[in-house]
Formats: sequence, structure tokens, C-alpha cells
Amino acid sequence: ILNVEQSPQSLHVQEGDSTNFTCSFPSSNFYALHWYRWETAKSPEALFVMTLNGDEKKKGRISATLNTKEGYSYLYIKGSQPEDSATYLCAFYNYGQNFVFGPGTRLSVLP
Amino acid sequence: GAVVSQHPSRVICKSGTSVKIECRSLDFQATTMFWYRQFPKQSLMLMATSNEGSKATYEQGVEKDKFLINHASLTLSTLTVTSAHPEDSSFYICSATRRDRPRLNEKLFFGSGTQLSVL
Repeated sequence: ILNVEQSPQSLHVQEGDSTNFTCSFPSSNFYALHWYRWETAKSPEALFVMTLNGDEKKKGRISATLNTKEGYSYLYIKGSQPEDSATYLCAFYNYGQNFVFGPGTRLSVLP
Repeated sequence: GAVVSQHPSRVICKSGTSVKIECRSLDFQATTMFWYRQFPKQSLMLMATSNEGSKATYEQGVEKDKFLINHASLTLSTLTVTSAHPEDSSFYICSATRRDRPRLNEKLFFGSGTQLSVL
């Protein structure tokens, strides 16, 4: 059974702070790593799809890095805003498998 | 962007009744629909994968006769929880992949989920 872990489970930051969280996944047979943002009462929305070791992707104030050899990805948020409050999910996909999701990191940005 | 509509968002039912949950892709053809269940403070757990026109593939430990999945068209998949019991109370959510995208960079499009409470 593949195990995907995310840390921390939750965190609270002040508006304007920068923050980051981690997704850990098995390093063998890597195919893709996805990040999703899930706001309360809405659908999860894709942030990044990462496929290559060393990938760095950026979308506005949010960026992500990928290390497939050691099995981790970091998500960074620069200058957090209240609208960034959400649960951030990562999902690991390897050859022959379906997506395996982490439990998520719940971010609260306090004004 | 692609939209997946999921209904109902919340359902409360008596033990022994059956509940149907629908997921529709509104502006794209969904090659594959995935159904997940999430218990409080746990990860989304894949229950089954359905492809249009064929039988769903269920994950280990998921009862086929309990959770009936129908993917009759490229825009509609349904999950029916048959003879629901309190232990079936959970959050159910679907996701879909587009028909016309290369698999490598394919992302998932999610419904908004259904909270099922069985009394």
C-alpha cells in the first residue's frame, strides 16, 4: 500500500507571512505529483502537475518544487492572504497505479 | 476551466434506503471518473474507477454490490449506495479526467462532494 504523507496537518499564519508545507511520497516508479487547493464547500482545484525531478512551478504567489529521488515536494506561499485559507492536497501517481492522496495541510491565514 | 457538477451536496437518510449520487462533466467529455470516500481527518480514499460504457474497477475492500457505479455516458457517472447503514456515513466525492488530454500532464477535475449521513 502506497503511503503519501503531508506535514504539517494544519497551520495558522498571519496575513503577509510566507509559509511552506511538505508532501512525502514513495520514490520508486514515480510518474506524477499533483497539488490541489480545496476551499471549504468547493471542489478541489488543481494547482500544479509535476512530472520531472527538479521541477519548479509557480502560479502567482504560490510555487512548488519536486524531488523524485528522495520523494518529497514542497509548496510555498509568499505573502499569505486570507483567501489562501484552504486545505492543500498532494496526490502521487506512479506507473500502474491510481492517484494516492495525502491527508492534506489545512492552512488558515489570519487577517 | 472544466467543471464537474456533483449532486446532492448533502443527504440524510434512514438505514436500509438507497442513495444515488450523480457527477456530471458540464463542458468536457470525461474519459474516466473516480469515486472517493473520505472519513473525518483522513485522506481521500479511492473506491472505484469507471470508464464510459464498461464495468467499474473497484479497489480492494470496496463491495461492488454495496456501491453500484454506472458510467453510461461520457458526461455522467452515478454512485448508488445500496441499503445504506450508519457505517456508510461519509463524504463522497468524484473526479474526472478529460478525454482529449495527454495522460502525463492530465489533472483531475473534482465535484464538490456529497456528505452522506445514515440514521
